[in-house]
Amino acid sequence: GESVGLHLPTLSVQEGDNSIINCAYSNSASDYFIWYKQESGKGPQFIIDIRSNMDKRQGQRVTVLLNKTVKHLSLQIAATQPGDSAVYFCAELDPSSGSARQLTFGSGTQLTVLP
Amino acid sequence: DSGVTQTPKHLITATGQRVTLRCSPRSGDLSVYWYQQSLDQGLQFLIQYYNGEERAKGNILERFSAQQFPDLHSELNLSSLELGDSALYFCASTVGGTLSGANVLTFGAGSRLTVL
Repeated sequence: GESVGLHLPTLSVQEGDNSIINCAYSNSASDYFIWYKQESGKGPQFIIDIRSNMDKRQGQRVTVLLNKTVKHLSLQIAATQPGDSAVYFCAELDPSSGSARQLTFGSGTQLTVLP
Repeated sequence: DSGVTQTPKHLITATGQRVTLRCSPRSGDLSVYWYQQSLDQGLQFLIQYYNGEERAKGNILERFSAQQFPDLHSELNLSSLELGDSALYFCASTVGGTLSGANVLTFGAGSRLTVL
């Protein structure tokens, strides 16, 4: 079936550097994507989203890029801070189920910020 | 605090037993979703309820069942537990019944189930 996957399971970056977390999706009909952050012992927290009619969306220190040609999604975190250490999930909204459509989550990338 | 409340936070039980996980959605949210997160796994959608009615079903085992009550809280019942059922179980809620850019999931902190 269709799936959402992440290129790298772990990523370590120096504090202050920029982080890039990648995600590949396989359902070309997906029309909405979300990045979630999950800190240890907590539930996933919404970071940023993007619709399929956009290529880029910016938030506070975060940017999501969508490349529909290669079905690739990335999350860029500027000036990475220790508090950014977490598991990051991309999620894809499958439109095929109509009103009962659900999110399909990737397996996650563990981001570790080094001092 | 996301506003979604899950109890218990931790639960340890034995194989063959039955447990019930409880979720109270954010105030005003009518939909409740249940997800399972196993070690090193992504979030697997189990089931969704909207205003008391089952809305969508995902990869939920027959040994598992759920319901949403008139006060909108939901319970996930896990029976005949196996070692492989050990996982984090998350509840999420939304206002409406259909996910969209205007209707995104808000997750609770999860219930960690350990089956020994």
